[in-house]
Amino acid sequence: SQELEQSPQSLIVQEGKNLTINCTSSKTLYGLYWYKQKYGEGLIFLMMLQKGGEEKSHEKITAKLDEKKQQSSLHITASQPSHAGIYLCGADAGYNNNDMRFGAGTRLTVKP
Amino acid sequence: KAGVTQTPRYLIKTRGQQVTLSCSPISGHRSVSWYQQTPGQGLQFLFEYFSETQRNKGNFPGRFSGRQFSNSRSEMNVSTLELGDSALYLCASSLMGQMNTEAFFGQGTRLTVV
Repeated sequence: SQELEQSPQSLIVQEGKNLTINCTSSKTLYGLYWYKQKYGEGLIFLMMLQKGGEEKSHEKITAKLDEKKQQSSLHITASQPSHAGIYLCGADAGYNNNDMRFGAGTRLTVKP
Repeated sequence: KAGVTQTPRYLIKTRGQQVTLSCSPISGHRSVSWYQQTPGQGLQFLFEYFSETQRNKGNFPGRFSGRQFSNSRSEMNVSTLELGDSALYLCASSLMGQMNTEAFFGQGTRLTVV
């Protein structure tokens, strides 16, 4: 089954600093999803990456997919307190499946 | 466009009871997946429904079941509740449930079993 490892597990940054979260897969990535979760709440869809080398940005968040390395990174520029939360990467378990496997999450704290 | 709606938001049940959770997907979406989230195990896939049929199932005991109605709304049922079933239950909706399509989650139902 697809195993996703996220690093770091937690991150504390000063407001205004940049940061990167990584997600590494034990299997070939056919597609990768990034979600953000506030404690105890649902997942907010951030981005979906489908092709190797693909890079997407939304506001100050950029995600890249390195298919060869079976890895994705999420980069936040000039972090703000509103970026705080748990970031989860997810990937489809198999080519024809529709269940997603998720990483354990990265807890981000942004200090004002 | 309304998002994914899950009801109720919170539930407290006693061991041995059963519970039914509801999920209304985004209008037009036909695929609904259910997940269990716990601090120890993280997010785990329960099952997926598409056009009223269970299309995929995770590794959970038979006490966990679900169904989907013709309007794509889905329900999840857990019978004979155990303390370990305490978790945040999330549903996700997507258009066709195909791989590499966007999936949107509801706010979740937090179930506490006492």
